[in-house]
Amino acid sequence: EVQLVESGGGLVQPGRSLKLSCAASGFTFSNYYMAWVRQAPKKGLEWVATISTSGSRTYYPDSVKGRFTISRDNAKSSLYLQMNSLKSEDTATYYCARHFTVVLTWFAYWGQGTLVTVSS
Amino acid sequence: DIQMTQSPSFLSASLGNSITITCHASQNIKGWLAWYQQKSGNAPELLIYKASSLQSGVPSRFSGSGSGTDYILTISNLQPEDIATYYCQHYQSFPLTFGSGTKLEIK
Repeated sequence: EVQLVESGGGLVQPGRSLKLSCAASGFTFSNYYMAWVRQAPKKGLEWVATISTSGSRTYYPDSVKGRFTISRDNAKSSLYLQMNSLKSEDTATYYCARHFTVVLTWFAYWGQGTLVTVSS
Repeated sequence: DIQMTQSPSFLSASLGNSITITCHASQNIKGWLAWYQQKSGNAPELLIYKASSLQSGVPSRFSGSGSGTDYILTISNLQPEDIATYYCQHYQSFPLTFGSGTKLEIK
């Protein structure tokens, strides 16, 4: 059974940094592109980042490019999201998601999410 | 960037009836479209991919259709467990974008 478990969320002040983690199990982690998707309170879904199987290629929307960094450790079956220069508009539940296979695909599996609140 | 326009935003229907949700892409996405269901307090779950392929384990009363820029999610024989918000998502190119969601209520 595919499982994705996020951690690392919490309350952080504007301008500060936070790193999220996602522990994956139930599949061969190194064979799949992985992603982060977020959802602001009572709002819709927004794709945040995608990383290739080896970690050599990363993709971001303009809203987080230059501030967020996605990375992975295949030996630990773990995905990360380093978030710098956080803004109030980054407040959201952050979901770890697995792409189906190659990069330009749907999100086949989702974790339960971790809440990040950016506030002073 | 490809914009996804989803309608309606809110839908109320009776048990046993059928409903349709539409998603319009700002350019041709060649069938590269997925639909998700999100129940209150839970993570989204995949329903349909490649516009019309049903994810394993999803009831057959869910179906998807469409091509080019226009896509439809149909739910037949509405059940109480279908209460949720539904999202479309394209994966034609980066950035990946979602529709704004359709909240389904059962009358």
